[in-house]
Amino acid sequence: DSGVTQTPKHLITATGQRVTLRCSPRSGDLSVYWYQQSLDQGLQFLIQYYNGEERAKGNILERFSAQQFPDLHSELNLSSLELGDSALYFCASTLDSYSYNEQFFGPGTRLTVL
Amino acid sequence: GENVEQHPSTLSVQEGDSAVIKCTYSDSASNYFPWYKQELGKRPQLIIDIRSNVGEKKDQRIAVTLNKTAKHFSLHITETQPEDSAVYFCAASTGSGYSTLTFGKGTMLLVSP
Repeated sequence: DSGVTQTPKHLITATGQRVTLRCSPRSGDLSVYWYQQSLDQGLQFLIQYYNGEERAKGNILERFSAQQFPDLHSELNLSSLELGDSALYFCASTLDSYSYNEQFFGPGTRLTVL
Repeated sequence: GENVEQHPSTLSVQEGDSAVIKCTYSDSASNYFPWYKQELGKRPQLIIDIRSNVGEKKDQRIAVTLNKTAKHFSLHITETQPEDSAVYFCAASTGSGYSTLTFGKGTMLLVSP
């Protein structure tokens, strides 16, 4: 157990819908990263937050947004869902914002868009 | 931005053999290279990392080598065991507070008894 929690574990929804994925980092970690994992694309970095502020942005679609709250948990919002958004979404946390820290991954949320 | 290429995409070996996974990166400023292991249905976990001030690092049966001139690094697993079967991801970053990890697409390693 990495200490990072994600809810829900599974999510099944329809095209056009909106969902929210939640992540709680390890106790004491200030930085949260979101990744999308699909079969042929490996781990695609979406976005990073550090202590409530957006720190870095990767290949995140405009239909997706995220935020980190004062208690440091983070939410990833996916809207106008398409079939291609079906994937495993991981969050990871680190103590600070430096990328040479070990990233501790949560168990992931598997999103299925029908 | 950084681009990380990983080969092979799948690798099958017999138990006891060695396995080598290779990655190349594009950004010469990258100086931190971790490897993550993801077992089936589980989360990725860091298994070893190397920084650009060293050329090789070992941890029991696992070693990573780095060639900064050629911009490539490799993961070596000796005396493979069935429990080594997993997907392995390499990654690279500049290590700064505003840089992030760029992952390769992964190598599925299958170790047959």
